[in-house]
Amino acid sequence: KNEVEQSPQNLTAQEGEFITINCSYSVGISALHWLQQHPGGGIVSLFMLSSGKKKHGRLIATINIQEKHSSLHITASHPRDSAVYICAVGRTSGSRLTFGEGTQLTVNP
Amino acid sequence: DTGVSQDPRHKITKRGQNVTFRCDPISEHNRLYWYRQTLGQGPEFLTYFQNEAQLEKSRLLSDRFSAERPKGSFSTLEIQRTEQGDSAMYLCASSPPLGKGSYEQYFGPGTRLTVT
Repeated sequence: KNEVEQSPQNLTAQEGEFITINCSYSVGISALHWLQQHPGGGIVSLFMLSSGKKKHGRLIATINIQEKHSSLHITASHPRDSAVYICAVGRTSGSRLTFGEGTQLTVNP
Repeated sequence: DTGVSQDPRHKITKRGQNVTFRCDPISEHNRLYWYRQTLGQGPEFLTYFQNEAQLEKSRLLSDRFSAERPKGSFSTLEIQRTEQGDSAMYLCASSPPLGKGSYEQYFGPGTRLTVT
């Protein structure tokens, strides 16, 4: 069993829909990261969380430390949100990241 | 642009050849990470430097792989006697010193290696 599990693996939505991507992990962590990867490979950090909730524009990330679970929500989805979203955890501050397999999101106009 | 840079962006090589990749982190970031990502998978950790010291290596990093960061600035990753299974995207990330800002990792654009 992977230390970081994401669901779903693939997600197709219509423009404007509310989207949720889930991440569960099985180890103690100092922080959880949500990353976005576009075709071509470049990875952009969206959020780093150690507790609670963060919001940036139409993106919201939450984490429940007790349940070892995090969600990434996208409100009013847009075709430009189409990308792979990756959950990653760091077990100690500054340590290497362990990644989930990613969720391929496609938002159709 | 003052982000993490990687060179080359793409490399096609024949099986058995040696290849070397370079990563230039964000200036003043003393921590540098190498990851490998195969198609359809999340990245996997290869190795980690703090300044010039290589502090951690994954078991994925076989004897054919070596990484250096000689002056604590840029880093190189060399693969000797490449195999087709080495075909992947090689990602570099950097992070500021502990206690000096966010622990986020900033990723470079990656080097895509194809071994034929």
